[in-house]
Amino acid sequence: QVQLHESGPGLVRPSQTLSLTCTVSGGSINSVNFYWSWIRQPAGKELEWIGRFHASGSTSYNPSLKSRVTISVDTSKNQFSLKLSSVTAADTAVYYCARDRGISGDVYEESFQHWGQGTLVTVSS
Amino acid sequence: DIVMTQSPDSQAVSLGERATFNCKSSQSVFYSSTNKDYLAWYQQKPGQPPKLLIYWASTRESGVPDRFSGSGSGTDFTLTINSLQAEDVAVYYCQQYYSTPFTFGPGTKVDIK
Repeated sequence: QVQLHESGPGLVRPSQTLSLTCTVSGGSINSVNFYWSWIRQPAGKELEWIGRFHASGSTSYNPSLKSRVTISVDTSKNQFSLKLSSVTAADTAVYYCARDRGISGDVYEESFQHWGQGTLVTVSS
Repeated sequence: DIVMTQSPDSQAVSLGERATFNCKSSQSVFYSSTNKDYLAWYQQKPGQPPKLLIYWASTRESGVPDRFSGSGSGTDFTLTINSLQAEDVAVYYCQQYYSTPFTFGPGTKVDIK
């Protein structure tokens, strides 16, 4: 059973860069069968997809955040990371990493099947 | 971006009764080449990540009780909980994965009446 776990600072200063890591166990992030995503949720608000990567090397970002987001991978540690630059209070949220259901036949099933527990990041001076 | 809307915002249902929530997408999420609707439903309880309940609009995820069912196609979808149980108190979100950026609805909160 794949498990995901987010880690990183819980407090980030305004204008600084938020950095989080997702450690994956029970499955390889090198698998071309899946996409790996970051998703966030401000308190009491809806979920927002931030972006994702695929083992082929492709990444995709939400245009609303694209200029500030980078998702990178460390295959040696089976981890992927999120960097969000120039943060403001609006970036305060619980951040989740997630994996989709993967390929079935020749169709990618991209609903989010596995989630980390989430980590709260507060942007404040 | 595809905008997802949900109704009602909240709903109180008696134990054992049926709960029905609606989700609407701003454009069709049906892919004719695969004959599938790219729509998922999630359940989120306080302090927990969302849990996948339904994908392809109507396929129940493994381990999800059969009192949960999804229906609809194109732009209009419904999640039904038959015989609501106390453990079903949660917020329910729909999500489209037809195109990026993937987007979620604002959620429907379900309580016990």
